[in-house]
Amino acid sequence: ETGVTQTPRHLVMGMTNKKSLKCEQHLGHNAMYWYKQSAKKPLELMFVYNFKEQTENNSVPSRFSPECPNSSHLFLHLHTLQPEDSALYLCASSQVAGEEQYFGPGTRLTVT
Amino acid sequence: QQQVKQSPQSLIVQKGGISIINCAYENTAFDYFPWYQQFPGKGPALLIAIRPDVSEKKEGRFTISFNKSAKQFSLHIMDSQPGDSATYFCAANYGRGKLIFGQGTELSVKP
Repeated sequence: ETGVTQTPRHLVMGMTNKKSLKCEQHLGHNAMYWYKQSAKKPLELMFVYNFKEQTENNSVPSRFSPECPNSSHLFLHLHTLQPEDSALYLCASSQVAGEEQYFGPGTRLTVT
Repeated sequence: QQQVKQSPQSLIVQKGGISIINCAYENTAFDYFPWYQQFPGKGPALLIAIRPDVSEKKEGRFTISFNKSAKQFSLHIMDSQPGDSATYFCAANYGRGKLIFGQGTELSVKP
């Protein structure tokens, strides 16, 4: 595997379900990010982790819970989501405080 | 202030033509301005980037023009090809890797 990988690529979940998105980077980076991409809207930064420590929470609702066990892995735990949370969730990585961010292919989430 | 305004929303260009996408910002603290290219079903990929102390940067057919006083920057794609058809996003960095993105431009290059 190379670059940034995300699993699953597609996810359909009910509003009462609990699921997790996984991201793994193989670039030796120390910073990881979660973004939300909704149709016709700019990418929205959700969370930033530097060396496993969360350094940014962009006013994200608590139904989204990130976890970064090490510099290569990032999770986004989802529970009691709303239909408006349906979107493409993108993971990215970079060097610490890095501007050159490398994105994964995303997880297409549909909340029913 | 924490916005990047991108235009146009969509653009159709003939093969061989020049594609131009514009972005404007308000926050003078932004210190890094990348452009990303996204194909359907893929994540955005870094295309080219510039810092505000440089007025122009060119990489192959892609050029960023930066006007610090006007707080505007643009992407020029020379000799546009059908394979360039994608969505393009400008962005600005407001510190420690925190990027704010424009709304995106869907580019279609007709053969």
